[in-house]
Amino acid sequence: AQTVTQSQPEMSVQEAETVTLSCTYDTSENNYYLFWYKQPPSRQMILVIRQEAYKQQNATENRFSVNFQKAAKSFSLKISDSQLGDTAMYFCAFMKLLNRDDKIIFGKGTRLHILP
Amino acid sequence: NAGVTQTPKFQVLKTGQSMTLQCAQDMNHNSMYWYRQDPGMGLRLIYYSASEGTTDKGEVPNGYNVSRLNKREFSLRLESAAPSQTSVYFCASSGRGRRRWTGELFFGEGSRLTVL
Repeated sequence: AQTVTQSQPEMSVQEAETVTLSCTYDTSENNYYLFWYKQPPSRQMILVIRQEAYKQQNATENRFSVNFQKAAKSFSLKISDSQLGDTAMYFCAFMKLLNRDDKIIFGKGTRLHILP
Repeated sequence: NAGVTQTPKFQVLKTGQSMTLQCAQDMNHNSMYWYRQDPGMGLRLIYYSASEGTTDKGEVPNGYNVSRLNKREFSLRLESAAPSQTSVYFCASSGRGRRRWTGELFFGEGSRLTVL
């Protein structure tokens, strides 16, 4: 069974700083997707970024980028120039690619505080 | 654009009572999911449905039943509510729908359930 581990329950950084959130996963699959979701205080879940395991290039979305290390089974999220609106819970998630309608497993989350 | 709609948003039950959480999506997605979110536990998958007429257990299915009524609707039933089922419940969907498949989950706004 796949597992997703986020080792940082909570983090705080100053506005405009760069912060990295860690995620490791365990799987015997070779083809899969990895995701980072954001949950602000509104409780709405929002997709931040997605990485396909067969792609070597790290995904980027504006200020958000990932460091995907397939051999190490590591998938960290870097937020550059952090903003107050980045304050949220962040969840790492894993999905097998063999069956595109398969289940998606989440980590326990990292609560990120951006301080003014 | 309704997306994923779940009802009710809040509910208080007494131990032993039953209730059904309703979920509907208008994106023509094949897959639908029910997660529960508890502090420090992240999102845990209760049940999912890869297509109309099929359902599968997730990580924490005990005490719950589901029905995939049609492609749009996926309900979660608590037959005899227990205090341990106090949680925030999220419905989600994914699939090709009307767009290129990306693996992204689209979430409802969540339902806060309290069992006394």
